[in-house]
Amino acid sequence: DAGITQSPRHKVTETGTPVTLRCHQTENHRYMYWYRQDPGHGLRLIHYSYGVKDTDKGEVSDGYSVSRSKTEDFLLTLESATSSQTSVYFCAISGQGSTGELFFGEGSRLTVL
Amino acid sequence: KNEVEQSPQNLTAQEGEFITINCSYSVGISALHWLQQHPGGGIVSLFMLSSGKKKHGRLIATINIQEKHSSLHITASHPRDSAVYICAVREGSNYKLTFGKGTLLTVNP
Repeated sequence: DAGITQSPRHKVTETGTPVTLRCHQTENHRYMYWYRQDPGHGLRLIHYSYGVKDTDKGEVSDGYSVSRSKTEDFLLTLESATSSQTSVYFCAISGQGSTGELFFGEGSRLTVL
Repeated sequence: KNEVEQSPQNLTAQEGEFITINCSYSVGISALHWLQQHPGGGIVSLFMLSSGKKKHGRLIATINIQEKHSSLHITASHPRDSAVYICAVREGSNYKLTFGKGTLLTVNP
């Protein structure tokens, strides 16, 4: 199994509080992604990274920021959580070329009350 | 923006049946992924394709780059194959991914 872990796995927070989700990999893969998964919408890309300090927005990036200061960690921050951000968040990693297979973390379930 | 469409959205089969799930996309890609997610579970990569055909056990994936279409086939389906199957396409040099909404497969014994 690929070495990818997410933390926390479950979190309940209140509207307006900041939240940071962490994705950690031990595969030295270049590409890292954050997705949210909601019923009826499937997986939607929030942000992704193609290298240290290189990130780009996905289709649902409003209200989210990311940082990648080292290869192994990709952080997703909700500066001021809202109830619409209640979701399951998945991190994924991918290498290049023949190592371009996707590996997913186990998911982080976030509830914003 | 790449539009990724999967069909059918829901599929119910009897054990032993041959299953086909389809994925079409609108813009040229560098690779296509097929993923599996069991209810309440994590997401597992089944295949990564850029051309032709791949086979793992009872699963076969094909892609037609010219027609912008891929199929996932399951031979001799089994109840443990019940899951959501997701198609994802990778485009551009930055490996941005776009996902289909998934196909919910239920295989009855």
